[in-house]
Amino acid sequence: ETGVTQTPRHLVMGMTNKKSLKCEQHLGHNAMYWYKQSAKKPLELMFVYNFKEQTENNSVPSRFSPECPNSSHLFLHLHTLQPEDSALYLCASSQDVGATNEKLFFGSGTQLSVL
Amino acid sequence: TQLLEQSPQFLSIQEGENLTVYCNSSSVFSSLQWYRQEPGEGPVLLVTVVTGGEVKKLKRLTFQFGDARKDSSLHITAAQPGDTGLYLCAGELMDSSYKLIFGSGTRLLVRP
Repeated sequence: ETGVTQTPRHLVMGMTNKKSLKCEQHLGHNAMYWYKQSAKKPLELMFVYNFKEQTENNSVPSRFSPECPNSSHLFLHLHTLQPEDSALYLCASSQDVGATNEKLFFGSGTQLSVL
Repeated sequence: TQLLEQSPQFLSIQEGENLTVYCNSSSVFSSLQWYRQEPGEGPVLLVTVVTGGEVKKLKRLTFQFGDARKDSSLHITAAQPGDTGLYLCAGELMDSSYKLIFGSGTRLLVRP
């Protein structure tokens, strides 16, 4: 148990569906992240939030829309996805953003399949 | 071109064997982290190395940061099936962006 909970664990959606991924952290951290993990590729940073303000958008297509209502919750809204978006989506948190030796705590991820 | 290259990509060994996995880059990092990711789970931080030449031990795992802070290695002694997983290295760039750059990982299978 890392203190970061993601739901759902698995999601299958069609290209015209709208769905949302949820992440909650119970660690009292100020920063939250979305990463994409595809087979045989490095983890790709998608979004960073610090004190619920977005500090990084790593050129992510607009069909991915993040939302951070408070420092403990993070959502990723999905709309009109493509099959190549199928991947494991990982949420992470850290005490702060921009500190050296920042430690990331990851959730178990949502395995997304786009048909 | 990947900033952090991990090798080998896949390793299958018998329980009790020793192994070393590598993380290499042409860039200098202020620190480097190693994570292990088990099937169906997210990565879990194992260790952070900060000083060039630093060696850290975690039970049967030995981590080393290169003198020039461009590379790192992870050595496992007497591997056990519980060591099975994806080992990821992640480096913190020295450009003050504090971004973590991940390698693509080494997938380790330890057979009983």
